[in-house]
Amino acid sequence: QSVLTQPPSASGTPGQRVTISCSGSSSNVGSNTLNWYQLLPGTAPKLLIHSDNQRPSGVPERFSGSKSGTSASLAISGLQSEDEADYYCAAWDDSLYGRVFGGGTKVTVL
Amino acid sequence: QVQLQQSGPGLVKPSQTLSLTCAISGDSVSSNNAAWNWIRQSPSRGLEWLGRTYYRSRWHNDYAVSGKGRIIINPDTSKNQFSLQLRSVTPEDTAIYYCARETVAVAGAYDNWGQGTLVTVSS
Repeated sequence: QSVLTQPPSASGTPGQRVTISCSGSSSNVGSNTLNWYQLLPGTAPKLLIHSDNQRPSGVPERFSGSKSGTSASLAISGLQSEDEADYYCAAWDDSLYGRVFGGGTKVTVL
Repeated sequence: QVQLQQSGPGLVKPSQTLSLTCAISGDSVSSNNAAWNWIRQSPSRGLEWLGRTYYRSRWHNDYAVSGKGRIIINPDTSKNQFSLQLRSVTPEDTAIYYCARETVAVAGAYDNWGQGTLVTVSS
């Protein structure tokens, strides 16, 4: 069982807004920055969001991150077919002294 | 442009040691602004952090508690690369293994990844 909790799946039609939640605790999400990664089939993970809500250059503006307390979320606005992928949240955990990931959320574009 | 190139066998027998190497170009394994990580992905466990090595006046290593003393990550400054050794493997260690750079520039996120190596543990 993963330290960070994500829903296993989410879906939407093209153009819709999809939100993925990530829940943790005071030792990880509550005290350290939260990152989001996108995993497309057959490719290495890609950094989507760092520092809770910052997009690296090249990441489309339709991806946005937010965090409040021990919970965070990733929003995909204007869902596109190429957004169909697995999404993982991650944070450093001060108690475990290691990086922890969520279990991943599979986004399906209907 | 940073590139990470992984190498190592794709098949390891149970009880043996899994060994992978990640060659770095465009950055230095001795950088004071980066840490060098190993992460694996499997259908049953998703993404799992294994550990990291980094240099801050001296070398540091951090390992996942779940590694239970089986993991060793070593830097090789002469070849600008770092390696992963996972001892006493079982079929549960079958996964895609990635090396990744963690950098201060993105507050410790992993901004560059190797291509991934599918390692199967089977006799």
